[in-house]
Amino acid sequence: QKEVEQNSGPLSVPEGAIASLNCTYSDRGSQSFFWYRQYSGKSPELIMSIYSNGDKEDGRFTAQLNKASQYVSLLIRDSQPSDSATYLCAADGGGYNKLIFGAGTRLAVHP
Amino acid sequence: EAGVVQSPRYKIIEKKQPVAFWCNPISGHNTLYWYLQNLGQGPELLIRYENEEAVDDSQLPKDRFSAERLKGVDSTLKIQPAELGDSAVYLCASSFGPDGETQYFGPGTRLLVL
Repeated sequence: QKEVEQNSGPLSVPEGAIASLNCTYSDRGSQSFFWYRQYSGKSPELIMSIYSNGDKEDGRFTAQLNKASQYVSLLIRDSQPSDSATYLCAADGGGYNKLIFGAGTRLAVHP
Repeated sequence: EAGVVQSPRYKIIEKKQPVAFWCNPISGHNTLYWYLQNLGQGPELLIRYENEEAVDDSQLPKDRFSAERLKGVDSTLKIQPAELGDSAVYLCASSFGPDGETQYFGPGTRLLVL
């Protein structure tokens, strides 16, 4: 059973701080990794994708991938209350575009 | 560019009744997905289409669920008969291609079975 594990949270951070979200995956064959943001009652929207080891930055967001440790993370700098949402980590099912999603981490940014 | 369109947005039915959901993917996207999302969980794939062919339906409960994607564009997911445990959000997503491509989600259909 291929799995993606995330802490459910909630992760509470003050406005302006760095939020660090973590994810581990079980399938060593996974090649593509995605972070989706999901506001309550809304559908998931893509934040970042990452395919190679290392860091990938996009604005206030940085995704980090370590395939040896089967670990993916998302850093949100200068967190804003509008970042409060559930963040879903997803990994492809080892060579197929079948995404395996984690249960999500709920982030709460308080003023 | 228009996103993935789904209808209806909400549906309330009694158990044992049939229900159908419709999805129109982003124009040019050949791959279409139906996901089920329970409260507090991530989406789980039900079925994936490449054009009009269902290439992964291993998670689709075929005794009561069916899907089709005629002409390789719009898709319909049907449940007959619905059970209480089917209450969830049904998400449709599409991507340009099958491998490693970003999937874009529609707004979902929230189903409540009474």
